[in-house]
Amino acid sequence: AQSVTQPDIHITVSEGASLELRCNYSYGATPYLFWYVQSPGQGLQLLLKYFSGDTLVQGIKGFEAEFKRSQSSFNLRKPSVHWSDAAEYFCAVAPDNDYKLSFGAGTTVTVRA
Amino acid sequence: GAGVSQSPSNKVTEKGKDVELRCDPISGHTALYWYRQSLGQGLEFLIYFQGNSAPDKSGLPSDRFSAERTGGSVSTLTIQRTQQEDSAVYLCASSFQGKPNEKLFFGSGTQLSVL
Repeated sequence: AQSVTQPDIHITVSEGASLELRCNYSYGATPYLFWYVQSPGQGLQLLLKYFSGDTLVQGIKGFEAEFKRSQSSFNLRKPSVHWSDAAEYFCAVAPDNDYKLSFGAGTTVTVRA
Repeated sequence: GAGVSQSPSNKVTEKGKDVELRCDPISGHTALYWYRQSLGQGLEFLIYFQGNSAPDKSGLPSDRFSAERTGGSVSTLTIQRTQQEDSAVYLCASSFQGKPNEKLFFGSGTQLSVL
């Protein structure tokens, strides 16, 4: 069965420290890959997406993600987190030619001063 | 409007009652999605509308759930005879054409609590 896995339910990081959120997927071919962020009381906002080409993609708010085909992973990173990065982060996958996104369960990020 | 608008933001209802949730997508977006977000779980696809095509209802969990989209714009998700397991955040999203590589614009959701 096709699936999206975010192994970490909750991560706590210090402000200024680096952050990495893991995402693994299981699909037959390379799907379209997305990271969305949900701040408290807000709708989901797209951080970045990958379809093809350069496997390192840059997004908004200083985030980047790297696609690794051999590991079926699309991990999200930020070199230095800010208190405003505290939110829930969702990895999402759209199989080729399918408009239905499959979402991971999400990772909640807490930022401590 | 500037973004996807959902109403109400919160709804508390008694078990067995019917509820209607409304979504007003971004003007000009032809695709509209409903997702359900249960506590501790990812988003679950419910239904997809694209232009005048027949909607994809494959994600609706039971026949108590239905949705319509009038005039290619506003959508209403209806849950009949609500059950406690229906308690969740219902999210609406829209996109320009509904293609797989498009960005989805999400509303803030409706928090449904069934007592």
